[in-house]
Amino acid sequence: QKEVEQDPGPLSVPEGAIVSLNCTYSNSAFQYFMWYRQYSRKGPELLMYTYSSGNKEDGRFTAQVDKSSKYISLFIRDSQPSDSATYLCAMRKGQGAQKLVFGQGTRLTINP
Amino acid sequence: DAGITQSPRHKVTETGTPVTLRCHQTENHRYMYWYRQDPGHGLRLIHYSYGVKDTDKGEVSDGYSVSRSKTEDFLLTLESATSSQTSVYFCAISASTAVKGASNTGELFFGEGSRLTVL
Repeated sequence: QKEVEQDPGPLSVPEGAIVSLNCTYSNSAFQYFMWYRQYSRKGPELLMYTYSSGNKEDGRFTAQVDKSSKYISLFIRDSQPSDSATYLCAMRKGQGAQKLVFGQGTRLTINP
Repeated sequence: DAGITQSPRHKVTETGTPVTLRCHQTENHRYMYWYRQDPGHGLRLIHYSYGVKDTDKGEVSDGYSVSRSKTEDFLLTLESATSSQTSVYFCAISASTAVKGASNTGELFFGEGSRLTVL
């Protein structure tokens, strides 16, 4: 069983819809949670970073962490075609990116 | 851009041949990483470096070696490539400086990737 599970999709929604992307994890030691966005044929780029439980908002993006359920979410409001990408969740137990564990990514398409 | 350059960007090679991928950074960051990305597996860490000549293994290090003789360059070598090493390889750096003892915040900046096909 993988430490981090993420539905690979693909997920296709119309422009303007609210998108919900999710990951579950099995190790309660994870404390730092990240979402990366990866456009086709490009490297991933950090989108959101959250420590421990709670919500964090940045423009149209909201990251949510529920440690009691071992569940993290990324919400995209007013989705745009430019949001079409693969979204990877990542998490780690302590300091050091070498401890990062990635989900396999969800491919998202926003249709105009 | 995070100042990371990978070369070559694309390579096709035959089983049994050696292959070296290069990662060059202009950010003076202490930590550098090599990942591979495959369908169904996401990103998996191969090796990483925490300073010049300081390297360590990641999750999927078998069949790979690395070297770091300068802060700015991190090389990944496949001594004898196999078809199972067909993948997209990403180099990444972590947001810290080259100063020893500086904390590694854990956020990664990735290069554009090197697509390797082993026939």
